[in-house]
Amino acid sequence: GAVVSQHPSWVICKSGTSVKIECRSLDFQATTMFWYRQFPKQSLMLMATSNEGSKATYEQGVEKDKFLINHASLTLSTLTVTSAHPEDSSFYICSAGTPKQYFGPGTRLTVT
Amino acid sequence: GENVEQHPSTLSVQEGDSAVIKCTYSDSASNYFPWYKQELGKGPQLIIDIRSNVGEKKDQRIAVTLNKTAKHFSLHITETQPEDSAVYFCAASFTSGTYKYIFGTGTRLKVLA
Repeated sequence: GAVVSQHPSWVICKSGTSVKIECRSLDFQATTMFWYRQFPKQSLMLMATSNEGSKATYEQGVEKDKFLINHASLTLSTLTVTSAHPEDSSFYICSAGTPKQYFGPGTRLTVT
Repeated sequence: GENVEQHPSTLSVQEGDSAVIKCTYSDSASNYFPWYKQELGKGPQLIIDIRSNVGEKKDQRIAVTLNKTAKHFSLHITETQPEDSAVYFCAASFTSGTYKYIFGTGTRLKVLA
């Protein structure tokens, strides 16, 4: 139980385009989901907390207009990276559940 | 601000030996402490967790201990195997409110066959 999926697992996009990443809790409902970013050989950095039916709460320094989060149902949250640039290239990971967080497999984004 | 220190950053042990990873947290209100294992290119996997009302928890070869007074908690892996090689992260969090995790910096464990 407690499986979280992410789609896509990897994506390459051109600078200036937008990319949407989906996070789904497959066998449980999640009122709260979290989005993290991880650079190589570093820890996970929380970007935002996604709450079903309400606006996401962003961490300090994370641009709300650049990283759009929508938590439309109890099993789906999406992260859209708008007007992506090479510096947005990273490993994006979502998690679901409280207090135990179950993590998805991650999405590797490369912006060229 | 809230902080979790994790040591060591790298750890090499012989197969069959024990491995210990230590974390120290700063927020005394933290009451939930999970440990995750992350393999290369994958998402973190929850391996064990402990709440502040418990001093120790064990699951087969893995155990976690918590010292609330010192704000320390540790992961113990006994009889290590090559498949235990991975990066391990500790975190401090809460069982209510924001539920946000404050992660440690990670420990790269290498088990030598």
